[in-house]
Amino acid sequence: DAGITQSPRHKVTETGTPVTLRCHQTENHRYMYWYRQDPGHGLRLIHYSYGVKDTDKGEVSDGYSVSRSKTEDFLLTLESATSSQTSVYFCAITDPLRDYGYTFGSGTRLTVV
Amino acid sequence: GDSVTQMEGPVTLSEEAFLTINCTYTATGYPSLFWYVQYPGEGLQLLLKATKADDKGSNKGFEATYRKETTSFHLEKGSVQVSDSAVYFCALSGGASGTYKYIFGTGTRLKVLA
Repeated sequence: DAGITQSPRHKVTETGTPVTLRCHQTENHRYMYWYRQDPGHGLRLIHYSYGVKDTDKGEVSDGYSVSRSKTEDFLLTLESATSSQTSVYFCAITDPLRDYGYTFGSGTRLTVV
Repeated sequence: GDSVTQMEGPVTLSEEAFLTINCTYTATGYPSLFWYVQYPGEGLQLLLKATKADDKGSNKGFEATYRKETTSFHLEKGSVQVSDSAVYFCALSGGASGTYKYIFGTGTRLKVLA
């Protein structure tokens, strides 16, 4: 959707390789989030950020790290990809000063072989 | 901790049928409640929300009422269309997890047949 983009949209990688997913927003929102979506689990929070260089862990953070050096970019890194990290990854943003509700990116489908 | 429970899918209906997708929650405090919709190959979109007890959220013919006494936020639509076929997620924020972290249900797939 306009205002938030994820890249790449699709990626296939090998077990043990590092992978970085990018979320870019043009809305100047303070809060950014990374979720993974898996059948039977819905969406689970990996990491989130509440400002530049301010990040925190979600419920499934093991094996993932994040960085936010600019307001507009939030990077998710799989340090050493495993098959259990095959998933669809969504980035979301929100600005609680305006209204409740996330705006989601279109997702990245990651396959680890 | 906070949690959201949705009815198992898939739900299959004929066009113009009445839709109910059940959602119940467990949370401390006074969470806000949401329904999101996901069409194939896309991210989630906010469908409607309610921020306090007895509020009714509505959008595109869908409605849900925040019922604190039954800790529920069931999604309803009087007459579904084929274009409503999607996955629907119930979510909450503002409970023990904090105001800006959402807890999502597992999603309910709706299939509407012409």
